[in-house]
Amino acid sequence: SQTIHQWPATLVQPVGSPLSLECTVEGTSNPNLYWYRQAAGRGLQLLFYSVGIGQISSEVPQNLSASRPQDRQFILSSKKLLLSDSGFYLCAWSVNGAYGYTFGSGTRLTVV
Amino acid sequence: KQEVTQIPAALSVPEGENLVLNCSFTDSAIYNLQWFRQDPGKGLTSLLLIQSSQREQTSGRLNASLDKSSGRSTLYIAASQPGDSATYLCAVNGAGNMLTFGGGTRLMVKP
Repeated sequence: SQTIHQWPATLVQPVGSPLSLECTVEGTSNPNLYWYRQAAGRGLQLLFYSVGIGQISSEVPQNLSASRPQDRQFILSSKKLLLSDSGFYLCAWSVNGAYGYTFGSGTRLTVV
Repeated sequence: KQEVTQIPAALSVPEGENLVLNCSFTDSAIYNLQWFRQDPGKGLTSLLLIQSSQREQTSGRLNASLDKSSGRSTLYIAASQPGDSATYLCAVNGAGNMLTFGGGTRLMVKP
């Protein structure tokens, strides 16, 4: 069966520090991968998606970047965090959306 | 641009009531619609997936309907329980196979 892993679960980082969040998927090949952010009291915002290794599309210009170094690995990064980067980050995968989307357990990021 | 609206934003009911959560979307050209549940501080759990060609899907006490032409979906929860307390999110899979989420309905079921 397919599973999705996200880590860390919680993270507290100072302003200006770097960020690396990792997401991996097991049990499937060539999935579409997504990074979403959920800010406090707000809806889910699509940040990046990838349809293959090295292929990244950005939905919102911001302080973050994403990379897909392997087929089932998706990484969200920042060189210098801002206070506004605080939020709940969710990774998701799908097979072209036809069978729905599966989300990871999320990372709670607090920038202080 | 697809817009998804969920009504009501919050709902508090006594245990045992039957509930209806509403979701509307502006662009009827969708592939499917998915209902999720989110507990506080947790990820999203998929409840039901309805393909655009389907009218409804059922899982246990949950039933979701889809009227694509009118841009509406409802999630029906029968005999609500305190364990059903959570935020329920509707998401539409449309152009470019991208999910667009509604703002959610925060449900509280009181014992």
